[in-house]
Amino acid sequence: KQEVTQIPAALSVPEGENLVLNCSFTDSAIYNLQWFRQDPGKGLTSLLLIQSSQREQTSGRLNASLDKSSGRSTLYIAASQPGDSATYLCAVFTGTASKLTFGTGTRLQVTL
Amino acid sequence: GAVVSQHPSRVICKSGTSVKIECRSLDFQATTMFWYRQFPKQSLMLMATSNEGSKATYEQGVEKDKFLINHASLTLSTLTVTSAHPEDSSFYICSAISGSRADTQYFGPGTRLTVL
Repeated sequence: KQEVTQIPAALSVPEGENLVLNCSFTDSAIYNLQWFRQDPGKGLTSLLLIQSSQREQTSGRLNASLDKSSGRSTLYIAASQPGDSATYLCAVFTGTASKLTFGTGTRLQVTL
Repeated sequence: GAVVSQHPSRVICKSGTSVKIECRSLDFQATTMFWYRQFPKQSLMLMATSNEGSKATYEQGVEKDKFLINHASLTLSTLTVTSAHPEDSSFYICSAISGSRADTQYFGPGTRLTVL
């Protein structure tokens, strides 16, 4: 059974800092990995999707890496802003089960 | 493109009543829709997978008689929480896919259910 863990569970940083969010998964036989953002009481916004054959994806200030063999992914946020405050979820798609398994999330707060 | 809506966005009901939540794909035909539940400060847990015109497949531990799912058309799936109790209070999110690619799901904005 696929299990996805995210560390840290919560993080508070001052504006302008670069930060890294971590995601680990137990079954490396994944099809892809996605990072989502969730604002309080809202749905999910897809940020980045990395296919299993890829090592990283970039979008603006966001960079996600994937090390499939070790079961790890990181989301790097450069020059953080208060508007980045949200919960960040990673999710892996396992082809055999044909479903997304979500991580526990990291609650990020960027302070002025 | 690929917009999914949910209605209502928020609902409060008395214990013992039934509540229906709608999930619609607005600009594409959704062959499959997924229903997730999210408790406060926890992650999304898949409840069931529904395919248009067939019975839903429920995840282990999810009561199919309590959470009725209907996917009667390619743009609409409904989740009915029957005889709701306070422990059913949660955030329910649906997602939809077009075609057979279940790895790219489009998520709805969620429905907050509060059972008094």
